[in-house]
Amino acid sequence: EAGVTQSPTHLIKTRGQQATLRCSPISGHTSVYWYQQALGLGLQFLLWYDEGEERNRGNFPPRFSGRQFPNYSSELNVNALELEDSALYLCASSLIFAGNTYNEQFFGPGTRLTVL
Amino acid sequence: AQSVTQPDIHITVSEGASLELRCNYSYGATPYLFWYVQSPGQGLQLLLKYFSGDTLVQGIKGFEAEFKRSQSSFNLRKPSVHWSDAAEYFCAVGSSYNTDKLIFGTGTRLQVFP
Repeated sequence: EAGVTQSPTHLIKTRGQQATLRCSPISGHTSVYWYQQALGLGLQFLLWYDEGEERNRGNFPPRFSGRQFPNYSSELNVNALELEDSALYLCASSLIFAGNTYNEQFFGPGTRLTVL
Repeated sequence: AQSVTQPDIHITVSEGASLELRCNYSYGATPYLFWYVQSPGQGLQLLLKYFSGDTLVQGIKGFEAEFKRSQSSFNLRKPSVHWSDAAEYFCAVGSSYNTDKLIFGTGTRLQVFP
């Protein structure tokens, strides 16, 4: 069974440009999560999508946005890129079971975004 | 507010030595606790998790962790480290409600000398 996949592996942009990162969840998973792993800051929760809807958002400005498609894949868009947006962006997926108290998240390998 | 503290940024051990990575959490309700490992250029791999029950949890690759509510700790241990264990280790806490964001510690980088 294929795991969570992300593309591209690396992305280089300049300040002010827009970046689009993509994530395909494990087959059958309906939830997708995005995390930012910036140097020295650890992993920070960005966004959670489930069944095509944004369910929760971390403490990030509105220029970080995304969407989830009917096939449950997801895009993360970062507008007006700033130098500090340089980071590894990790995507995770899970399957929500009604009544479960917790649903494990499975992570992809990440996209390394470099802003020059 | 939920938080996770990993007080050791960098740990160096010799191959074959025992290992303990510290993790302290702050969470008002019953926490769901996790340890992940990240090898260079890789995503996160789940080592083990604690939801409830036995406070000593066994994971993959010979790792174990012990939940101590009185100390708000969830330390990761391995009796004998292998060179392939060199990686970054993250402790995380999850919500006790339906799945939501994970709160991660800042990570501990483990270096293993032969």
